[in-house]
Amino acid sequence: DIQMTQSPSPLSASVGDRVTITCRTSQRIANYLNWYQQQPGKAPKLLIYAASSLQNGVPSRFSGGGSGTDFTLTIGSLQPEDFATYYCQQSYSPPYTFGQGTKLEIK
Amino acid sequence: QVQLQQWGAGLLKPSETLSLTCAVYGGSFSGYYWSWIRQPPGKGLEWIGEINHSGRTNYSPSLKSRVSMSVDTSNNEFSLKLTSVTAADTAVYFCARILSPSGYDSFDYWGQGNLVTVSS
Repeated sequence: DIQMTQSPSPLSASVGDRVTITCRTSQRIANYLNWYQQQPGKAPKLLIYAASSLQNGVPSRFSGGGSGTDFTLTIGSLQPEDFATYYCQQSYSPPYTFGQGTKLEIK
Repeated sequence: QVQLQQWGAGLLKPSETLSLTCAVYGGSFSGYYWSWIRQPPGKGLEWIGEINHSGRTNYSPSLKSRVSMSVDTSNNEFSLKLTSVTAADTAVYFCARILSPSGYDSFDYWGQGNLVTVSS
């Protein structure tokens, strides 16, 4: 299985801050990397697919980058509704695996 | 608008079989793969497996010996069975659609989740 490691966790920030979450994979996966946001008690929401493609309806302050083994999710200017847990997920080969999650907390 | 609505038993005893169903409303059913994902309380996400409209499946190796998935195309539903459950199978179970633009799979629509608790 491909192992996924996210950092940092947790992450403390303030409204208006620019933050970056990193995801590292145990083997090269080209750009087969997705990012999700999960609010407490809710299902995850797809933000970014194929490492850098913004899902329809997702605000443009979210952006993704990277390829190979190192990936990033950047939120350009934090809004109150962005405080949640974020997961990366690889779709390079089954079993599809997720990172352990990064909880974004209000400072 | 695509909606996934799921249901099933929420409390099981050890050794029983978990059974969940997910109904798909809106959009195409046959054009996609459909998946089950679970999340133990306070923990991360684990992919269980996937199935398409013709019943082709792909399961996680860690659960393969206990998992089966099926489809009912007449009702646009797909189902999960997990046998011989233990407390380690206690989790919120989600169904999800797999979106595959140009071969890049992702989970774009999700069910509401069902908490399944295994306890004697």
